[in-house]
Parts: sequence; C-alpha cells; structure tokens
Amino acid sequence: KQEVTQIPAALSVPEGENLVLNCSFTDSAIYNLQWFRQDPGKGLTSLLLIQSSQREQTSGRLNASLDKSSGRSTLYIAASQPGDSATYLCAVRGNDYKLSFGAGTTVTVRA
Amino acid sequence: NAGVTQTPKFRVLKTGQSMTLLCAQDMNHEYMYWYRQDPGMGLRLIHYSVGEGTTAKGEVPDGYNVSRLKKQNFLLGLESAAPSQTSVYFCASSQLQTDSYEQYFGPGTRLTVT
Repeated sequence: KQEVTQIPAALSVPEGENLVLNCSFTDSAIYNLQWFRQDPGKGLTSLLLIQSSQREQTSGRLNASLDKSSGRSTLYIAASQPGDSATYLCAVRGNDYKLSFGAGTTVTVRA
Repeated sequence: NAGVTQTPKFRVLKTGQSMTLLCAQDMNHEYMYWYRQDPGMGLRLIHYSVGEGTTAKGEVPDGYNVSRLKKQNFLLGLESAAPSQTSVYFCASSQLQTDSYEQYFGPGTRLTVT
C-alpha cells in the first residue's frame, strides 16, 4: 500500500522568502505525481503534474521536482506572497490509476 | 464549463438517516471518484468508476454505496449515517484518453452526522 508523507505539517515564513515543501512516498512504481493547493473550506486546485518519466515541472513561481528512485518530490515556491497561504497536498498515482494523498503542509506567509 | 459540481454544499444528518450526494461533471470524463477528507489526514478514496455503469471499491468503502447511471453523474449514498461519517466529501473526475490522468476536483460537501 502506497504511503505518502508530507513534512512539515505546517510552515510559517515572512513574505519574500522561498518555500520548500517536501513529499515522500514508499512505492516508487508510480504513474505520476500531482501537487494541489487547498484554501480553507474549498476544493483542490491542481498546481503541477509530473509524469514518472519527468524530473521536474515549472509554472510561474512554482517548480516541482521528482526523484522516483528515492521516492521524493519537492515543491518550490519562489518569492512567497501572503496569497500563497494555503494547504499544499501531494498525491501519487499508482499504475492502478488511483491517487494516494499526503496529509498536506499548511503554509502561512506573513506580510 | 462548470467543471465538477457537487450538491449539496452542507448537510447535517442524524444518526441512522440516509442521504445521497450528487456529483456532476461536464468535461465528458470517463473516470469519477469519491473521496473523504478528515482533519490531519489526506484524502481517502471511497469508491470510483471507470465508466458509465461501472463502480469499484476504494480504500474506505464501508457504509457507502455509489451509482454511475449516466456518464456525467456519480452518486454517493449513505444508507444509515453514523457519526464516523462526519467529514468533507470530494468528488473528482479524470479523462481516459490522455496520458496524464489529471484529476479535477469539485468544491466539496461538508457533512455532519449527530
């Protein structure tokens, strides 16, 4: 059974600092990995999707890396802003097309 | 495009009552999913469907039933609600004919069982 862990559970940084969010998974036989953002009381918004054959994906200030062999992914958010405050979820898709989620990292960016 | 929509947004039930949550998607997606999200835990898959007329159990299926009579709709039923089913329920869908299988999520239904 795939286990997905996100550390830390919560993070507070001053505005302008770069954010580094970690995700680890136990089974390296994955199809892809997806990073989501969730605002309080809201649904999930997909940020980046990395295929198992890729090493990284970038979108604006966001960059996600994937090291399948070590079971790790990192989400980098450059020059954080208060609007980046949210919970970030990592989800891994296995070859059975089901997603396994981490519990998330709750980020607070202080103005 | 409305994407994925869920009805209702909030509901309070008493133990033993039944209800149905409706998920609808207008993206012609083949796959649909129901998840629950509890504090401090990731989303857990309840049931899923790989096409109209098909359903399958996920990680935590007990106490729930589902139906996919139309491709665009996926219903989640609670026959006899229990306090342990207090949670936020999310529906998602994804396309079969792409190589990414990216999932798109609805806004969620917050259910409280007293």
